[in-house]
Amino acid sequence: EDKVVQSPLSLVVHEGDTVTLNCSYEVTNFRSLLWYKQEKKAPTFLFMLTSSGIEKKSGRLSSILDKKELSSILNITATQTGDSAIYLCAVPNSGGSNYKLTFGKGTLLTVNP
Amino acid sequence: ETGVTQTPRHLVMGMTNKKSLKCEQHLGHNAMYWYKQSAKKPLELMFVYNFKEQTENNSVPSRFSPECPNSSHLFLHLHTLQPEDSALYLCASSQEWGYEQYFGPGTRLTVT
Repeated sequence: EDKVVQSPLSLVVHEGDTVTLNCSYEVTNFRSLLWYKQEKKAPTFLFMLTSSGIEKKSGRLSSILDKKELSSILNITATQTGDSAIYLCAVPNSGGSNYKLTFGKGTLLTVNP
Repeated sequence: ETGVTQTPRHLVMGMTNKKSLKCEQHLGHNAMYWYKQSAKKPLELMFVYNFKEQTENNSVPSRFSPECPNSSHLFLHLHTLQPEDSALYLCASSQEWGYEQYFGPGTRLTVT
């Protein structure tokens, strides 16, 4: 069975701190790994990673995939209160016609002023 | 209108009712999805349409039935639901399967 595990499940930091969120996966026929941010509404897309070792960056957020370790990290530098959200990791699997997308439980990040 | 839209945004229905959720995407995508999000559980993928072809998902009860009349519209027909089906139902679309998905705002469903 496909599995996506995120850690930590929750994290409380102060503004200005740097955080690292982890995602590990076990899926058949890996295609990509997706990171999302979910506040009090639907998830919004952050990154899609397909190649190992290539960092994707968007402002203070960056992410990298390690296919050997079957994992990915999401870094947020100089955190702000607006970064408070649930960060979701998801891995799609296209096993023939059997489409599956497995989400982790998410990391709840709280950034205090 | 751009992005992914869903209607209604809130729905309260009795267990004997029949209702439908609607999703529309204006992004020119070829894949559309229905998700269920319950409190304290990961997002659950319910159905996928990729180039209008549905993937069977045996773990979804038959009281939920999807319909994808064209690549821009997706419906979720609901009948004889149970209180445990109360959740946020999210629609998403992507260029094709496996690519980044863009979510609609969701329908908050309460089954009484």
